[in-house]
Amino acid sequence: KAGVTQTPRYLIKTRGQQVTLSCSPISGHRSVSWYQQTPGQGLQFLFEYFSETQRNKGNFPGRFSGRQFSNSRSEMNVSTLELGDSALYLCASSLGVAAYQETQYFGPGTRLLVL
Amino acid sequence: AQKITQTQPGMFVQEKEAVTLDCTYDTSDQSYGLFWYKQPSSGEMIFLIYQGSYDEQNATEGRYSLNFQKARKSANLVISASQLGDSAMYFCAMRPSQGAQKLVFGQGTRLTINP
Repeated sequence: KAGVTQTPRYLIKTRGQQVTLSCSPISGHRSVSWYQQTPGQGLQFLFEYFSETQRNKGNFPGRFSGRQFSNSRSEMNVSTLELGDSALYLCASSLGVAAYQETQYFGPGTRLLVL
Repeated sequence: AQKITQTQPGMFVQEKEAVTLDCTYDTSDQSYGLFWYKQPSSGEMIFLIYQGSYDEQNATEGRYSLNFQKARKSANLVISASQLGDSAMYFCAMRPSQGAQKLVFGQGTRLTINP
């Protein structure tokens, strides 16, 4: 079974621009979660989508948004980029039906550099 | 709120030795899941092992085992017979029982295996 895929793998943008990242979950997984990883803040939860609905959201400004399509693929958008948005963005998928027992499987990440 | 603490920023171990990576957690939930992930320099988070709060036996997966001490709120990862390919960042994470697919991560431990 194919793993989680993320595109693009690397991205360079300038301040003020916007960016869209894509994530394709493992086949059959309906939950997609997004995380931001930076050296200073570590791994932080952005949001989770399940069946095309945002089910949970972390403490990030409204510039960070996402959506999920009917095939469970998800996109994340960051508008008006700031230097501090430079990070590794990780997507994780899971079945989304169990609670704490369910394992999330991660993609390779998208490295975003904002200049 | 949940919190994960990994007190070892870095560890250096000789090849073929066993290594223990420490993880303590804080939660008021009775039901929760504990996870360990490995992150090589490529960035992908690789799932290693899971322990549920109600599991009476310590989890094992090949060379990985989880030393779960619920009363002490610790979930240490033990890697037996370390290999050069084990060099990576290791993250302990927890998911609470209520709703969210969100994982709360520790700051990680950088493990270096010396030949």
